[in-house]
Amino acid sequence: AQTVTQSQPEMSVQEAETVTLSCTYDTSESDYYLFWYKQPPSRQMILVIRQEAYKQQNATENRFSVNFQKAAKSFSLKISDSQLGDAAMYFCAYRSAGAGGTSYGKLTFGQGTILTVHP
Amino acid sequence: DVKVTQSSRYLVKRTGEKVFLECVQDMDHENMFWYRQDPGLGLRLIYFSYDVKMKEKGDIPEGYSVSREKKERFSLILESASTNQTSMYLCASSFPDRYNEQFFGPGTRLTVL
Repeated sequence: AQTVTQSQPEMSVQEAETVTLSCTYDTSESDYYLFWYKQPPSRQMILVIRQEAYKQQNATENRFSVNFQKAAKSFSLKISDSQLGDAAMYFCAYRSAGAGGTSYGKLTFGQGTILTVHP
Repeated sequence: DVKVTQSSRYLVKRTGEKVFLECVQDMDHENMFWYRQDPGLGLRLIYFSYDVKMKEKGDIPEGYSVSREKKERFSLILESASTNQTSMYLCASSFPDRYNEQFFGPGTRLTVL
């Protein structure tokens, strides 16, 4: 079974600074997807960024980028130019690419990291 | 925009009561999921459904059941609520394409007294 570990229960950053959230995972599969989800205090979870394991290039979405190290099974999220609206719980998640429909898109989540942004 | 709604934001029930949590999505998604979220444990999958009337156990199905009679609606049932089922419950749905991106509802905070 796959496991996802977020070792930082809480992180903080000053507005406009850069912060990196860590995530490691364990899998024996070679084809999978990794995700970072954001859960603001209002609780609606939204997708921030995704990475396909077979792509070596790190994904970026505006101020959000990842550092994907497949051999090390590491998937960190970097938030540049942090804004007050970035304050949230962030979850790292894993999904098997699956054979046929067997995975049905099931996600395995890490424990979450609470990010505080100081003005 | 995909919209996933859940019947209640907050719910308080007594031990032993039968509890229904409802989830509705409006994007014709095949897949639907129920998770519970607990501090320090992240989200854990309870049940999921990949089609009407089809269901599969997730990682922590004990004490729960589900129902999916219509494509847009996925219900989580606590047959006899217990205090250890006090938690945040999140519903999600996805279309089974390459990315299978999950869209989440706002959550239901259930307290069992």
